Amino acid sequence: AQTVTQSQPEMSVQEAETVTLSCTYDTSESDYYLFWYKQPPSRQMILVIRQEAYKQQNATENRFSVNFQKAAKSFSLKISDSQLGDAAMYFCALYGGATNKLIFGTGTLLAVQP
Amino acid sequence: SAVISQKPSRDICQRGTSLTIQCQVDSQVTMMFWYRQQPGQSLTLIATANQGSEATYESGFVIDKFPISRPNLTFSTLTVSNMSPEDSSIYLCSVANYRLNTEAFFGQGTRLTVV
Repeated sequence: AQTVTQSQPEMSVQEAETVTLSCTYDTSESDYYLFWYKQPPSRQMILVIRQEAYKQQNATENRFSVNFQKAAKSFSLKISDSQLGDAAMYFCALYGGATNKLIFGTGTLLAVQP
Repeated sequence: SAVISQKPSRDICQRGTSLTIQCQVDSQVTMMFWYRQQPGQSLTLIATANQGSEATYESGFVIDKFPISRPNLTFSTLTVSNMSPEDSSIYLCSVANYRLNTEAFFGQGTRLTVV
């Protein structure tokens, strides 16, 4: 079975500061992908960043980067230079090639303080 | 990328009735997924809908309660049947072709309130 765990229900960061959201996962598959999705109050799910498990290099998208520790099954998201628009619910998600499903963690609600 | 139009965006329904949610995609996709997001919670996969075959339901979800249609590669419907207040949730449609672009796209969701 695949599981995704986010241990931080809520986080807060000052504008322009850096924050790290934690995610751990478990899967028996060798072919899998990891994602961070953002869900603002509009409910629209927005892909923030993705990581292929076979790639050793950590993914980066502008102010967003991940720390992918495959052996530890850890996939944290770092948001640099936080902006007010970053305030949202963030979900870590795992896709397994064999199961062909996208499984979500419980989410972290990020508040950005001006 | 894929653009998904999901209707209705919200509805308030009487208990015991049924609601059908529509999901229209601007391109042909093989895999479509329906999720439920209960208030303040994460997304839970209800079922996977492939064109031309029966939907595959996750544990805890049954076809009689959540019948799904997938008549073609751009359209699907999810019906929430015999509703109770516990069915009050956001329902989201998603499409993905992980082998091509490893990204799932989501509709804007349907906020359902059962009274």
